[in-house]
Amino acid sequence: RKEVEQDPGPFNVPEGATVAFNCTYSNSASQSFFWYRQDCRKEPKLLMSVYSSGNEDGRFTAQLNRASQYISLLIRDSKLSDSATYLCVVSISESNTGKLIFGQGTTLQVKP
Amino acid sequence: NAGVTQTPKFRVLKTGQSMTLLCAQDMNHEYIYWYRQDPGMGLRLIHYSVGEGTTAKGEVPDGYNVSRLKKQNFLLGLESAAPSQTSVYFCASSYLRGRIFDQPQHFGDGTRLSIL
Repeated sequence: RKEVEQDPGPFNVPEGATVAFNCTYSNSASQSFFWYRQDCRKEPKLLMSVYSSGNEDGRFTAQLNRASQYISLLIRDSKLSDSATYLCVVSISESNTGKLIFGQGTTLQVKP
Repeated sequence: NAGVTQTPKFRVLKTGQSMTLLCAQDMNHEYIYWYRQDPGMGLRLIHYSVGEGTTAKGEVPDGYNVSRLKKQNFLLGLESAAPSQTSVYFCASSYLRGRIFDQPQHFGDGTRLSIL
């Protein structure tokens, strides 16, 4: 079983739609959680950290459920520019290494 | 503001050749990581360093060596390239500030390596 699992998609949605991505992680020692965005043939870039209380950044809302080991990302009012692959990322407090575990990503295509 | 710079951007090698990928960061970050990204596999950690002069193995270290002689640079070496090492390689770095596992990583723009 992969340590971080995501539905690879692709998710094809029209502009203006609301779309949600889910992610599960297997290691209960996971400490910190992130969503990264990766455009085609580009490097991953941090979209947002995910906090236990949930957090919002504009049209993006991230939620964490530690009991279920589940992370979500909600995108409201999708824009064409939101088309990308979204990586669910987990950090484990292992010997202060800062290592991150990446999901394989969920691809979003926003259509006009 | 260069951030994390990877050299080269693209390279084609023949099986058995050797080469070194350079990662240079100008943000004074202590932690640096080398990943490979393959279709359907996500990013996998090859080697990493938590400070100048230190290196450690990640998830997929076989066939690679690394060195961190200077804080700014982290070198990834392929001693005898194999077709299975065809991949996109990313370098990333992060701060040592507070709890390291809270810190996001900043990525270079990748090296596309093909081995024939």
